[in-house]
Amino acid sequence: NAGVTQTPKFQVLKTGQSMTLQCAQDMNHEYMSWYRQDPGMGLRLIHYSVGAGITDQGEVPNGYNVSRSTTEDFPLRLLSAAPSQTSVYFCASTTSRTGGPKPYYGYTFGSGTRLTVV
Amino acid sequence: AQTVTQSQPEMSVQEAETVTLSCTYDTSESDYYLFWYKQPPSRQMILVIRQEAYKQQNATENRFSVNFQKAAKSFSLKISDSQLGDAAMYFCAYRVGRGGGSEKLVFGKGTKLTVNP
Repeated sequence: NAGVTQTPKFQVLKTGQSMTLQCAQDMNHEYMSWYRQDPGMGLRLIHYSVGAGITDQGEVPNGYNVSRSTTEDFPLRLLSAAPSQTSVYFCASTTSRTGGPKPYYGYTFGSGTRLTVV
Repeated sequence: AQTVTQSQPEMSVQEAETVTLSCTYDTSESDYYLFWYKQPPSRQMILVIRQEAYKQQNATENRFSVNFQKAAKSFSLKISDSQLGDAAMYFCAYRVGRGGGSEKLVFGKGTKLTVNP
């Protein structure tokens, strides 16, 4: 099915461990982003990419690393997990191309990853 | 920087009634998009409705409609004939239309909607 695929759906880490959240989209979207969602805070932008080989920081980038070697994939790496990184993480993609179905003007989201750091 | 404010952390409505969720935003851009996303307990982010800033006509999608007041920078969501399945968190979001920043969504903090039978 077309869309954004995120894995895993749930993860528990110990403080100091590292891991990678995977994200893939098959809509040929040029823009991809990672958000974290915390209670009462809405969704906040961690990192984003405007195309393969190009990434930039969002509002809350500390403790996270990204790369984008292909249009389809945009993994998020936690270098040394901390309890403050306990959150729900969403990957999303979009395009600035005009025309097409309505979701092209909004973001298409993955199903999220609930991460707990103990 | 653009900001989005949802002043109602929680709202409730009786089934079959109408409810309006508020959203205001701050921007110096003239070309942008506004969205309402629904997040049910499954946590999936579902696009409910969108509005292009250059369009004066308010967007509608079945029972969902918006009141877009560009000068006042207000973008409220009206849900008519509320159903139990409408219960969810609702997020208002903003995106620049073109150029720098168009790759980013800025979210409000959300409104939790409860639908009472």
